[in-house]
Amino acid sequence: GAGVSQSPSNKVTEKGKDVELRCDPISGHTALYWYRQSLGQGLEFLIYFQGNSAPDKSGLPSDRFSAERTGGSVSTLTIQRTQQEDSAVYLCASSLLAGVDTQYFGPGTRLTVL
Amino acid sequence: RKEVEQDPGPFNVPEGATVAFNCTYSNSASQSFFWYRQDCRKEPKLLMSVYSSGNEDGRFTAQLNRASQYISLLIRDSKLSDSATYLCVVSPYGLIFGTGTRLQVFP
Repeated sequence: GAGVSQSPSNKVTEKGKDVELRCDPISGHTALYWYRQSLGQGLEFLIYFQGNSAPDKSGLPSDRFSAERTGGSVSTLTIQRTQQEDSAVYLCASSLLAGVDTQYFGPGTRLTVL
Repeated sequence: RKEVEQDPGPFNVPEGATVAFNCTYSNSASQSFFWYRQDCRKEPKLLMSVYSSGNEDGRFTAQLNRASQYISLLIRDSKLSDSATYLCVVSPYGLIFGTGTRLQVFP
């Protein structure tokens, strides 16, 4: 079946602009996760959703980052007033239930802030 | 202290060698444990879950020691295709990744 999809695959933006990243999880997966991988760095957990709610937003790097999920499916990660340090690959994953089930990753969105 | 610590490597081993990776984690409330594999510029993919009793999948064996908060991965009979970064992962909810251990298998 279809895996996790993300769009766009690549995004180049200018510093100060807002960007929106989209994630389509595997159908039926109730949990959805956002991660960030900066060049040469490990994967950094940002936020997760169980259904439409995000129990813990403390992983978001700053208040310029926000995420929402509607209808228990698609999620968007929004970065306002982008900065060069926001440049990274943003990965989305989904699982049947939060925490205990295997997470399946999307291919990621490569964000470059000029 | 990082939540999940791994030796970054690289580990350079010949084909056919046995190689072991270790990982320690700090959150004793972690309930789930995994090894993921990440190829260069690709997304991470699940290699195997790690169970308390230890588990094996072909050439790969994973062990968990909850008392010491320690996880290991053993790869026997290394293949060229095993070359990748191996990520130790613990999970209370979202996955907490180690920075990964790079493995390079040479002919």
